[in-house]
Amino acid sequence: AQSVTQLGSHVSVSEGALVLLRCNYSSSVPPYLFWYVQYPNQGLQLLLKYTSAATLVKGINGFEAEFKKSETSFHLTKPSAHMSDAAEYFCAVSSPNDMRFGAGTRLTVKP
Amino acid sequence: KAGVTQTPRYLIKTRGQQVTLSCSPISGHRSVSWYQQTPGQGLQFLFEYFSETQRNKGNFPGRFSGRQFSNSRSEMNVSTLELGDSALYLCASSFSPGMDTEAFFGQGTRLTVV
Repeated sequence: AQSVTQLGSHVSVSEGALVLLRCNYSSSVPPYLFWYVQYPNQGLQLLLKYTSAATLVKGINGFEAEFKKSETSFHLTKPSAHMSDAAEYFCAVSSPNDMRFGAGTRLTVKP
Repeated sequence: KAGVTQTPRYLIKTRGQQVTLSCSPISGHRSVSWYQQTPGQGLQFLFEYFSETQRNKGNFPGRFSGRQFSNSRSEMNVSTLELGDSALYLCASSFSPGMDTEAFFGQGTRLTVV
């Protein structure tokens, strides 16, 4: 069975500071990994996905994530936070027949 | 290109009633998945349909059912509603089947059971 753990249900950063959202996964097969963002009263929007092509994945809005097999991690980063980045972020792991989401991390950006 | 459309956006039902939610995928997408999102349980996979066939099903009771039509539009039905069914129900569509493909989400239907 697959599972995802997002460390930290809430993360607060200052505008312009580094954003680091942590995600660890468990999977018995080579995983596909995703990061999604959800704004209030909206659906999920895909930020980026890992499909084994490259360990460093660049996504939209300046986000990127690095797949580290030895650490079973897929942390999301952005060098400089913007006020518009405030949202909830979900890490997900999938195989062809299953998708599991983490509990989510709410990102707050302080001016 | 229009995105995934879910109707209605908001719904209030009484315990014991049934409800039907609708999802129109992105044009050309033939795979539709449904998710339930609650504060307590987070995002949970309900089921996936492709070419009118259910391919995968999550761990939900039989009160939750769905179907897909020949035009790829999908509906999900919840019978004998319980208070715990109050949630945001999200639909996602993708071009090809499989939970490992890129999915595009609708804005969701917020169901409140009173």
